[in-house]
Amino acid sequence: GAGVSQSPSNKVTEKGKDVELRCDPISGHTALYWYRQSLGQGLEFLIYFQGNSAPDKSGLPSDRFSAERTGGSVSTLTIQRTQQEDSAVYLCASSSRQGANRYFGPGTRLTVL
Amino acid sequence: AQKITQTQPGMFVQEKEAVTLDCTYDTSDPSYGLFWYKQPSSGEMIFLIYQGSYDQQNATEGRYSLNFQKARKSANLVISASQLGDSAMYFCAMREGLQGGSEKLVFGKGTKLTVNP
Repeated sequence: GAGVSQSPSNKVTEKGKDVELRCDPISGHTALYWYRQSLGQGLEFLIYFQGNSAPDKSGLPSDRFSAERTGGSVSTLTIQRTQQEDSAVYLCASSSRQGANRYFGPGTRLTVL
Repeated sequence: AQKITQTQPGMFVQEKEAVTLDCTYDTSDPSYGLFWYKQPSSGEMIFLIYQGSYDQQNATEGRYSLNFQKARKSANLVISASQLGDSAMYFCAMREGLQGGSEKLVFGKGTKLTVNP
């Protein structure tokens, strides 16, 4: 079956612009996660959605970052007024239930000029 | 203090030999889980193996095994019979509070493994 998909695969934007990154989780997976991977760094947790529960936003680095998940499936990560330090690979993952293994997508590479 | 420490930025191994990638962790929670992921140059994160803090035996998955030493807070990944396709970044990660705790995975900075022919 299809894995986690993300779009776009690459995004180049200018400082100050808004960007939207999309994640399609594995069908039937109720949990969805966003992570950020900066050059030479490990992965940094951003946000977690589980079913209809309130999301865990504790990893969002600033109020310029927001995410939503519509219909319990597709998720969009929005970064407003992008800064150069936002340049990173944004990875989405999903899992079949709380606590289960996460399956990661291929990521979106964001470059802010 | 870092939650997950991977002290080897890079490791080299000859094809068909075994290699151990180190991971130490820091937590006061008695209930936690440890994960290893592989990230090839293509970028996707591939789950390899999982160890729960209460698991009685060390986890194994094919050529991957986890040398779990709870008292030393280490969870080293052992890859047996290395293959050229094993060349990748390897990340250790931890989730604390397995009973109703956070779903957040904390990752180490990774080890780059190169398998030489």
